[in-house]
Amino acid sequence: DTEVTQTPKHLVMGMTNKKSLKCEQHMGHRAMYWYKQKAKKPPELMFVYSYEKLSINESVPSRFSPECPNSSLLNLHLHALQPEDSALYLCASSQDFRVPPTDTQYFGPGTRLTVL
Amino acid sequence: AQSVAQPEDQVNVAEGNPLTVKCTYSVSGNPYLFWYVQYPNRGLQFLLKYITGDNLVKGSYGFEAEFNKSQTSFHLKKPSALVSDSALYFCAVRDPGYSTLTFGKGTMLLVSP
Repeated sequence: DTEVTQTPKHLVMGMTNKKSLKCEQHMGHRAMYWYKQKAKKPPELMFVYSYEKLSINESVPSRFSPECPNSSLLNLHLHALQPEDSALYLCASSQDFRVPPTDTQYFGPGTRLTVL
Repeated sequence: AQSVAQPEDQVNVAEGNPLTVKCTYSVSGNPYLFWYVQYPNRGLQFLLKYITGDNLVKGSYGFEAEFNKSQTSFHLKKPSALVSDSALYFCAVRDPGYSTLTFGKGTMLLVSP
């Protein structure tokens, strides 16, 4: 089973709201990722967690705050977002991104975020 | 640095005909290459990958890809296209010395009945 689940599927929020996106995998993967994707564009990497520690932060604004409570869960906390942050937010997981030959990322269905 | 080019924004093919979606790459070492497909309002689905070995890689849904080191290409192919193959296709590369994937811009495949 290569399933990554994400909730909610859709989220509409105002610029002063605080909300969270959730991601879960039960494949025993030790790397988890957040991507942002605009329509018909490739995904843009935001964060990588490896063994529950933040390994990569691609200079993402502080209004996005990731959290990895355990090896199966990944959250993205949102606060004071801008309308240009509206996008599809994708979560992915892989076995171990430190071992490239065996590492394949599997993506969740995404959360469609609209910021008003 | 690593990079991927998908030279076609869109590929049109009739159902039943063979299809090719092109991808070229640039890496400093031996590449790890991937193809993903994205249906409307969905996440990316893994199709296949090349690590080493046989230059022809077989993947999901009847897709295959041919690795050509001299041309630095990794084109996606299918012998007979289906209307349901219509989607956005992304090629991605990872250099062994680089920690993350680099995606191409994507190619929209439209299969007409």
